[in-house]
Amino acid sequence: DIQMTQSPSSLSASVGDRVTIACQASQDISNYLNWYQQKPGKAPTLLIFDASNLETGVPSRFSGSGSGTDFTFTISSLQPEDIATYYCQQFDNLPFTFGPGTKVGIK
Amino acid sequence: QVQLQESGPGLVRPSQTLSLTCIVSGGSISSGSYYWIWVRQPAGKGLEWIGRIYTSGSTNYNPSLESRVTISLDTSKNQFSLKLSSVTAADTAVYYCAREVVVGLDAFDIWGQGTMVTVSS
Repeated sequence: DIQMTQSPSSLSASVGDRVTIACQASQDISNYLNWYQQKPGKAPTLLIFDASNLETGVPSRFSGSGSGTDFTFTISSLQPEDIATYYCQQFDNLPFTFGPGTKVGIK
Repeated sequence: QVQLQESGPGLVRPSQTLSLTCIVSGGSISSGSYYWIWVRQPAGKGLEWIGRIYTSGSTNYNPSLESRVTISLDTSKNQFSLKLSSVTAADTAVYYCAREVVVGLDAFDIWGQGTMVTVSS
């Protein structure tokens, strides 16, 4: 299985801050990576697909980059409604695997 | 728009079989290039992909669960199902059904709200 790691595991930032989350794959997955947002008590929602493509309807303050084994997810200006846990997910090989998540909070 | 809704018992006895159904509304489960998937999440933990079924009926399972898992499709009822046998407390989790789109992108674009399943005697 491809192992996914994320850092940090949690962070707190102020409204308007730039937030960056790292995701690393245990082997080269090209750009076969998605990012999901999960708010407390809710199902995940797709934000970014193919490492850097914004899903329809997702605010442009969210972005993703990277390829190979190292990926980055960025919120350019943190908003109160962005409080959630963010997961990366690889779809290069079965079984599909998720990172352990990064919990984002407000200072 | 397509919506998914999980249903099934919230409590399952150890060693029994967990059975869940995902009802698809707003679109046909047998049309388009989609996989229909199951993901679970133990309380306070991350997401685990359980497996998927294509509109043709072909399946893929997580090797960690493959000996116990069956995912099936019922096109007449526009739903798909999960069966997990010989459950233990480690199978206690919120179970989500979702749609995996594979044309233009490969991602889980629509999710059900999730259903909590507790394994306990």
